Amino acid sequence: EAQVTQNPRYLITVTGKKLTVTCSQNMNHEYMSWYRQDPGLGLRQIYYSMNVEVTDKGDVPEGYKVSRKEKRNFPLILESPSPNQTSLYFCASLKGDRAAGELFFGEGSRLTVL
Amino acid sequence: AQSVSQHNHHVILSEAASLELGCNYSYGGTVNLFWYVQYPGQHLQLLLKYFSGDPLVKGIKGFEAEFIKSKFSFNLRKPSVQWSDTAEYFCAVKDSGGYQKVTFGTGTKLQVIP
Repeated sequence: EAQVTQNPRYLITVTGKKLTVTCSQNMNHEYMSWYRQDPGLGLRQIYYSMNVEVTDKGDVPEGYKVSRKEKRNFPLILESPSPNQTSLYFCASLKGDRAAGELFFGEGSRLTVL
Repeated sequence: AQSVSQHNHHVILSEAASLELGCNYSYGGTVNLFWYVQYPGQHLQLLLKYFSGDPLVKGIKGFEAEFIKSKFSFNLRKPSVQWSDTAEYFCAVKDSGGYQKVTFGTGTKLQVIP
């Protein structure tokens, strides 16, 4: 089954404790992206990756890191989480070709930073 | 930079009422347009998309949207809503060229009352 898998789905952590949210897709998509969803703000792009070893900042990259060592995986790293990073995070990959593709989303990871 | 505006933040309708959700975008180039739906507790799923051709696009579950280039609009419509349409709806725009950034609107929460 084609899917984007995120882990963990739910996490409560404390300020400053490094964490990683993993994202894996089994569709051989080149493009992957991370979004955060906050009430009243919609989805905002954190980072995206056009292909392996190619990543770039989205609209709200501060406090986050990513890596893309393999095509299927695109982890999101919070080196020193802060309460303002409490949010719902979605990973997505682009299904289809570059001109006509649509985003295919994971189930989401709800993060609470105390 | 591209941006998306959704005019209605919260819409409440009775079953069988007609629905129209507004979406306007700003971008100087050629765009691809999308509507995504997020049912309570779930991830975003594609409802419909426009890439080229007929500006009236039909999607799943009886939804349709009309691309009006002169107005930079891509409004979502459904003639008769059902309780199961209760969800949050997001309009999104993507540059149809090589650059893959997808920008989302802030979303519209639709509540359908039985």
